Amino acid sequence: EAQVTQNPRYLITVTGKKLTVTCSQNMNHEYMSWYRQDPGLGLRQIYYSMNVEVTDKGDVPEGYKVSRKEKRNFPLILESPSPNQTSLYFCASSPGGGNADTQYFGPGTRLTVL
Amino acid sequence: QKEVEQDPGPLSVPEGAIVSLNCTYSNSAFQYFMWYRQYSRKGPELLMYTYSSGNKEDGRFTAQVDKSSKYISLFIRDSQPSDSATYLCAMKLSRDDKIIFGKGTRLHILP
Repeated sequence: EAQVTQNPRYLITVTGKKLTVTCSQNMNHEYMSWYRQDPGLGLRQIYYSMNVEVTDKGDVPEGYKVSRKEKRNFPLILESPSPNQTSLYFCASSPGGGNADTQYFGPGTRLTVL
Repeated sequence: QKEVEQDPGPLSVPEGAIVSLNCTYSNSAFQYFMWYRQYSRKGPELLMYTYSSGNKEDGRFTAQVDKSSKYISLFIRDSQPSDSATYLCAMKLSRDDKIIFGKGTRLHILP
């Protein structure tokens, strides 16, 4: 089944404790992206990657890191999480270069930073 | 003025009614317009995709773009309780550009 998977789905952590949210897609898509979704603010892009070893900042990259060492994986790293990073995070992938027609979203990771 | 404006709702309508969801935008250069549906505790999924102005129909769903008014709409005919979800409009300047999302409208279809 074609899908985007994220782990963990739920995470409660404390300020300053480094964490990684994994994202994997099995559709051989070139483009992958991370979003956060907050009430009243909608979906905002954090980082995106147009291919292996190519990443770029989205609208809200502060406090986040990403890497794209393999085509299928695009982990999101929070080196020192803070409470304002409490949010619902989505990974997405799409075929072709850039923001191609169809983005497939993962199921989401709900992160709480205490 | 925000780039993409969308009424957050909630919008409650009886089953079988025609639903109209709308977004306005400020950048006249947007060319690609999308509607995503997001069920509770799920990721968004692409529902409709249109390029430039005009209408596009897919089953019970019709997407309409009016570039002169900078206004897009999604119509749902014969609405069903399973249509209850948050609907996000989205748009981009070119095919390779980033997607700008509206904040979403929560829709409840009452049985």
